Amino acid sequence: GQNIDQPTEMTATEGAIVQINCTYQTSGFNGLFWYQQHAGEAPTFLSYNVLDGLEEKGRFSSFLSRSKGYSYLLLKELQMKDSASYLCAVMDSNYQLIWGAGTKLIIKP
Amino acid sequence: IAGITQAPTSQILAAGRRMTLRCTQDMRHNAMYWYRQDLGLGLRLIHYSNTAGTTGKGEVPDGYSVSRANTDDFPLTLASAVPSQTSVYFCASSPRGGGTEAFFGQGTRLTVV
Repeated sequence: GQNIDQPTEMTATEGAIVQINCTYQTSGFNGLFWYQQHAGEAPTFLSYNVLDGLEEKGRFSSFLSRSKGYSYLLLKELQMKDSASYLCAVMDSNYQLIWGAGTKLIIKP
Repeated sequence: IAGITQAPTSQILAAGRRMTLRCTQDMRHNAMYWYRQDLGLGLRLIHYSNTAGTTGKGEVPDGYSVSRANTDDFPLTLASAVPSQTSVYFCASSPRGGGTEAFFGQGTRLTVV
């Protein structure tokens, strides 16, 4: 079966750095997405990786290793507004998104 | 309308009733999707449409139907609601089916009692 694993919850301190991991087993691979979802709101797009390596976008970076079935989202200089759930999703061979359950990130002052 | 809009934003529905959740986008995106999101689970795809006039079944299609008469609208119908369909429903669209980001509506919180 297809499976996306990410930690259920993480806690970090304002101003610090946090890394949210995602491992996947899917039938085929056509890219990996990270989305941010604040409580009670819709998911919003953060990043897309289809090749191995690191993609940097401001305070957020996303890394992919296809051979290991692994990705991480790195958040730097954490702000209180970064408190949200972070969703990892993989596009399979049928171009359908398979979603992880999300990682709830709690930022403490 | 800007982006993707869902209606209603929330609804309490008696079991056995028929309900249509509406979704409209003004971005001229080809692909549209319906997901449900339940606590502790990832978003699960109910139905999708890669282009107007075509639809397909996702991971959890039973009890739901969709239509795609035009590019902008993608309604989701529950023919006879059951309590297990209590969930938050998100409609999403993307320019094409693969490799592009999806834009989400604000969600419909549905409670079936």
